[in-house]
Amino acid sequence: NAGVTQTPKFQVLKTGQSMTLQCAQDMNHNSMYWYRQDPGMGLRLIYYSASEGTTDKGEVPNGYNVSRLNKREFSLRLESAAPSQTSVYFCASSAASGGIRWETQYFGPGTRLLVL
Amino acid sequence: AQKITQTQPGMFVQEKEAVTLDCTYDTSDPSYGLFWYKQPSSGEMIFLIYQGSYDQQNATEGRYSLNFQKARKSANLVISASQLGDSAMYFCAMREIGGRGSTLGRLYFGRGTQLTVWP
Repeated sequence: NAGVTQTPKFQVLKTGQSMTLQCAQDMNHNSMYWYRQDPGMGLRLIYYSASEGTTDKGEVPNGYNVSRLNKREFSLRLESAAPSQTSVYFCASSAASGGIRWETQYFGPGTRLLVL
Repeated sequence: AQKITQTQPGMFVQEKEAVTLDCTYDTSDPSYGLFWYKQPSSGEMIFLIYQGSYDQQNATEGRYSLNFQKARKSANLVISASQLGDSAMYFCAMREIGGRGSTLGRLYFGRGTQLTVWP
């Protein structure tokens, strides 16, 4: 059981370049999330997917798009990267099927992105 | 207003001693969950413990316990018998059940407390 996996682990982009961050979970979870973590701050929600086929904006969605490819995979795309998007990106998933205990989110190892 | 407040940017504790990390929260939703995560220097987010707003007893998981005081809206993490490997950043987070729109599914995180355990 790998849990939540993310690729790549590190990425350097130039301003204006695009890239897709990949996330997959093997826990049969319904809900998946993308967060960013900036220095001195907790995590902030970018987008989430409550179930396969649905996506919704979180707190900081500007500059990002997502795709819930199937139940296992949830990708985050930066169409035109900006230095303000330099951050650590975490993908998470939760079962989210009855009762708040099922809302516990399990995180991937993170992707460190630097935009020059 | 901040949903989660962690007032201790850094804490120091000697090995084998207990330490309490503070967390206060703000919500008007009667149904919510409180979570603690550990982030070691390697960067991953590790789930430690969970407390539901309707749980009658304080949560415990091994050396971790959660001191839940609902009236004070506090959910402090207690680590007993600290170990060197406990040195990490600790985040308190909350999930509201009644969230709508952009708040649905969201975990609100505090800014974290950096715990250092010394020999």
